[in-house]
Amino acid sequence: TQLLEQSPQFLSIQEGENLTVYCNSSSVFSSLQWYRQEPGEGPVLLVTVVTGGEVKKLKRLTFQFGDARKDSSLHITAAQPGDTGLYLCAGVPPHQETSGSRLTFGEGTQLTVNP
Amino acid sequence: DTEVTQTPKHLVMGMTNKKSLKCEQHMGHRAMYWYKQKAKKPPELMFVYSYEKLSINESVPSRFSPECPNSSLLNLHLHALQPEDSALYLCASSHRTSGSYEQYFGPGTRLTVT
Repeated sequence: TQLLEQSPQFLSIQEGENLTVYCNSSSVFSSLQWYRQEPGEGPVLLVTVVTGGEVKKLKRLTFQFGDARKDSSLHITAAQPGDTGLYLCAGVPPHQETSGSRLTFGEGTQLTVNP
Repeated sequence: DTEVTQTPKHLVMGMTNKKSLKCEQHMGHRAMYWYKQKAKKPPELMFVYSYEKLSINESVPSRFSPECPNSSLLNLHLHALQPEDSALYLCASSHRTSGSYEQYFGPGTRLTVT
């Protein structure tokens, strides 16, 4: 069974601070996705990283996929209250079917950004 | 358009009731999923339909019965549920694009079993 360890589990910071969330595994993933989820809503896909060493930016969010495709990080610059939510990483194990994949989720990081 | 819709938004049911959750997507995705999510936990996979056939059942109790009438619709039939089944039920869909298998989630149905 492939596991994704996500840290930290909880993070409470002040507006304007920077933060990094980590997602680590001993297993290789063919791709990794990051989601943000607000209370009572479904997860919203933020980004997918596929290539080892890949870096993607989404406004103040920077996502990185490790060279060996076993880990990923999410860095937020100058956090804002609107960034508050549950951040989930989810990996796709290799050799999945063409359609219909079993995602391996991290435990999530509950981020609170205080004004 | 990357929208997955789910109805109802909220559902309260007794332990002897029969109800159904509905999910719809018009993105041409050929895989659809049901997940169960407890508060502040990641989603737990329940079922996967691939090309309208059940491909994964994660040992879900028979009181949950999935159905995929066509490539755009996914139902979850509920019968004789237990209070511990109260949770957010999420539907998702995906289509393989460049090997990324991105899944798009609906807003969920908040289920309360009394």
